[in-house]
Amino acid sequence: GAVVSQHPSRVICKSGTSVKIECRSLDFQATTMFWYRQFPKQSLMLMATSNEGSKATYEQGVEKDKFLINHASLTLSTLTVTSAHPEDSSFYICSARDRLAGGYLQETQYFGPGTRLLVL
Amino acid sequence: GESVGLHLPTLSVQEGDNSIINCAYSNSASDYFIWYKQESGKGPQFIIDIRSNMDKRQGQRVTVLLNKTVKHLSLQIAATQPGDSAVYFCAENPSQAGTALIFGKGTTLSVSS
Repeated sequence: GAVVSQHPSRVICKSGTSVKIECRSLDFQATTMFWYRQFPKQSLMLMATSNEGSKATYEQGVEKDKFLINHASLTLSTLTVTSAHPEDSSFYICSARDRLAGGYLQETQYFGPGTRLLVL
Repeated sequence: GESVGLHLPTLSVQEGDNSIINCAYSNSASDYFIWYKQESGKGPQFIIDIRSNMDKRQGQRVTVLLNKTVKHLSLQIAATQPGDSAVYFCAENPSQAGTALIFGKGTTLSVSS
């Protein structure tokens, strides 16, 4: 249980184009989804927190107009990198919390497999 | 600021040895901790968790120890195997409902045969 998928797993795009990444909770409903980016040999950096049906909360320094997040249902959140540039190349990972988990397990985050974005 | 860190960025062990990966956290109010394993090119995988009202929890070949007095967390892996080679992150829940886990910098475990 608690499986999170991401699509695509890898994407290469030209500078200036937009890329959409999907994050799905496959066997549970997610109250909250999180989006992270990770550079090589570094830890996960939280970009934003996404709650179903409401606007995402972005971390300081993350441009909300560049990284558009939509959380339209309890099982799907999308991250769109708009007008992507080479510096946006990174590993993007989403995670989700189980809406029906009890107690402290509500705080457990289950991660997707990540999406490798390369902007040329 | 609040942060979770690991003592050593890399750890090399021989197959069959026991591994101990350490983590120091700074927020004394954190009430829940998780260890994740991340293999190259993949997302973090949940290994084991522990609540702040416990000091030890065991799983299959893994044990997590929590010392709240010194704000220290460790992951012990018994009979380490080559498949255990990965980056290990500790993460803390800062005891604020709805906030994200705070991740440490990670320790790279290398297991040689």
